[in-house]
Amino acid sequence: AQTVTQSQPEMSVQEAETVTLSCTYDTSESDYYLFWYKQPPSRQMILVIRQEAYKQQNATENRFSVNFQKAAKSFSLKISDSQLGDAAMYFCAYLGSNYQLIWGAGTKLIIKP
Amino acid sequence: GAGVSQSPRYKVTKRGQDVALRCDPISGHVSLYWYRQALGQGPEFLTYFNYEAQQDKSGLPNDRFSAERPEGSISTLTIQRTEQRDSAMYRCASSWGSRAGNEKLFFGSGTQLSVL
Repeated sequence: AQTVTQSQPEMSVQEAETVTLSCTYDTSESDYYLFWYKQPPSRQMILVIRQEAYKQQNATENRFSVNFQKAAKSFSLKISDSQLGDAAMYFCAYLGSNYQLIWGAGTKLIIKP
Repeated sequence: GAGVSQSPRYKVTKRGQDVALRCDPISGHVSLYWYRQALGQGPEFLTYFNYEAQQDKSGLPNDRFSAERPEGSISTLTIQRTEQRDSAMYRCASSWGSRAGNEKLFFGSGTQLSVL
């Protein structure tokens, strides 16, 4: 069975600095998708970034980028120029050959002004 | 509608009561998912519909939980004889196609269920 691990329950960063959130996963599949979702205090679930496993190029979305290491089964999220609005829970998620998103436990990101 | 709508937003019930949670996906979306998220944890998959067909219910915890989507649009998740351990955020999501990785998954705001 696939698993997703986020080993950092909480991270803090100074506003305008860069922070990296870690995610590792375990799977025997070769074709899958990886996601980072943001959950602000409103408890909405907002897609931040998506990575297809067959693509070697790391996905980027404005200030958000990933470091996808397929062999190491690692999928970290880098947030550049952190802003107060980035404060939230961040979840890493895996989608394989079935329809079930497998989620990590989340990392709480605190932005210090 | 403009987004995935869930109702009620909050539900407080007494142990042993039945509850029905409603999800109205974005019009035309083929796929509909139910997830449950306990406080301080990541979501966990409950069930998946492709149109009206329930194609995967492997995540439903036990036979007190059931879901339907009779006309391929609105879905209802029913929990019978609720227990305190059922307390969680129940979240619905939908997407255009049958493979959520290929397109964006839209999440509703969820129903926060509290069982006293």
